[in-house]
Amino acid sequence: DAGVTQSPTHLIKTRGQQVTLRCSPISGHKSVSWYQQVLGQGPQFIFQYYEKEERGRGNFPDRFSARQFPNYSSELNVNALLLGDSALYLCASSLSRATGELFFGEGSRLTVL
Amino acid sequence: AQSVTQLDSQVPVFEEAPVELRCNYSSSVSVYLFWYVQYPNQGLQLLLKYLSGSTLVKGINGFEAEFNKSQTSFHLRKPSVHISDTAEYFCAVSDAGGYNKLIFGAGTRLAVHP
Repeated sequence: DAGVTQSPTHLIKTRGQQVTLRCSPISGHKSVSWYQQVLGQGPQFIFQYYEKEERGRGNFPDRFSARQFPNYSSELNVNALLLGDSALYLCASSLSRATGELFFGEGSRLTVL
Repeated sequence: AQSVTQLDSQVPVFEEAPVELRCNYSSSVSVYLFWYVQYPNQGLQLLLKYLSGSTLVKGINGFEAEFNKSQTSFHLRKPSVHISDTAEYFCAVSDAGGYNKLIFGAGTRLAVHP
């Protein structure tokens, strides 16, 4: 079975641009979460979606938004990119909203110049 | 608010030696606890988890961890490490029964030398 897949794997943007990152969860998983991992730090929670509704939001500005589609895939959008948005963006899926066990994709590495 | 402190940013160790990676957490509610491993240029892989029950938890690749509620700790141990264990290790906490919002520590870099 396929694991969590994310696209693109790498991308370079300039300040002020917008970016969309995509995530396909493991088949049967209804919960998708997004995390930002800045180089040398632990991942930080951005969003959790379960059954297409936002269930949790971390301490990120409104420039960050996300959505979950009927097939449970998800997109993370970041507007007005800043240099500090450069990071590895990780998507994780789980069977339900509170199993506690997340399965992570390999991430999308965003570089903002 | 919850927080996780990983007490060592780097742990160097020789192959076949034992290792302990330390993790302390703070929370006002019951928690779930996790250890994840991250190899270079990869995502995170779950090593083990504590949800309830026995405080000694065994995971993959020979790792184990012990939940100590009184000391709010969840230290990771392995009796004999291999070169292939070289990676970044993250301790994480979430509300028990809540949504899957994990709070991660800053990570511990385990470097196994021959």
